[in-house]
Amino acid sequence: GIQVEQSPPDLILQEGANSTLRCNFSDSVNNLQWFHQNPWGQLINLFYIPSGTKQNGRLSATTVATERYSLLYISSSQTTDSGVYFCAVGMDSNYQLIWGAGTKLIIKP
Amino acid sequence: EAQVTQNPRYLITVTGKKLTVTCSQNMNHEYMSWYRQDPGLGLRQIYYSMNVEVTDKGDVPEGYKVSRKEKRNFPLILESPSPNQTSLYFCASGNAGVWYEQYFGPGTRLTVT
Repeated sequence: GIQVEQSPPDLILQEGANSTLRCNFSDSVNNLQWFHQNPWGQLINLFYIPSGTKQNGRLSATTVATERYSLLYISSSQTTDSGVYFCAVGMDSNYQLIWGAGTKLIIKP
Repeated sequence: EAQVTQNPRYLITVTGKKLTVTCSQNMNHEYMSWYRQDPGLGLRQIYYSMNVEVTDKGDVPEGYKVSRKEKRNFPLILESPSPNQTSLYFCASGNAGVWYEQYFGPGTRLTVT
C-alpha cells in the first residue's frame, strides 16, 4: 500500500519564525490533504491539494505530484499554530485516506 | 451550529465488556467514517459509510462493528474490547461528492484494562 512519510517529526520554533513541513508519498494519488490537530485534539482540514499551490493567510501548500511530495509552509508563526500537522493521501475513488505520522510543531512565545 | 458529536468523550472499561461509541452529525452528510489515532502512527481508518445501510471496511476493521440505520448516526461497536483497542477514536463526516472535506468530532479516548 501507499506509504506516507512526514518530516521533521518534531519542530520547535520561536514565535515569528517561518517553517516548512514535508510529506513524501510512495505512489500516485489524486487526493492529498493537510490537517492540523490542535493541542486539545481537534482536527481541522487545512488544504485539499493533490497538485499545485494554495494559500490561506499565513499558510500555504505546494504539491508536486510527479515527484510525490508536498510542502506546507507556515510564515510568521504564532503560538496558536502549535499542534500536530498531518498529511493524508489517497484516491478519491476508494474513499480512504492514508495518514502520515505527523509533524509536531511547538511555537514558543 | 454544524457539528459532529461523539459520546462518550472518555471511557475506561474492562476486557470483554461490550461498548458502543456514538457519532452523530447535523449536516446531512452522506459520508461518515471512524478512525483510531495511536501515538506515532497518525490516524487509521476503521470503517466508513457512503450512505444509509452502506458500510465498508477501512484499514483496521478487526474487532469493530458499525451500523448506519439513519443518515445522521454512525455508531462504533466493540463487541469484546481488548487492551490493544485502547486508543483515541475520531468520527468524521462529509458530503458524498467531496467526502474528503471531512468534519471531525472531538474524539473519544478509550482505555481497556
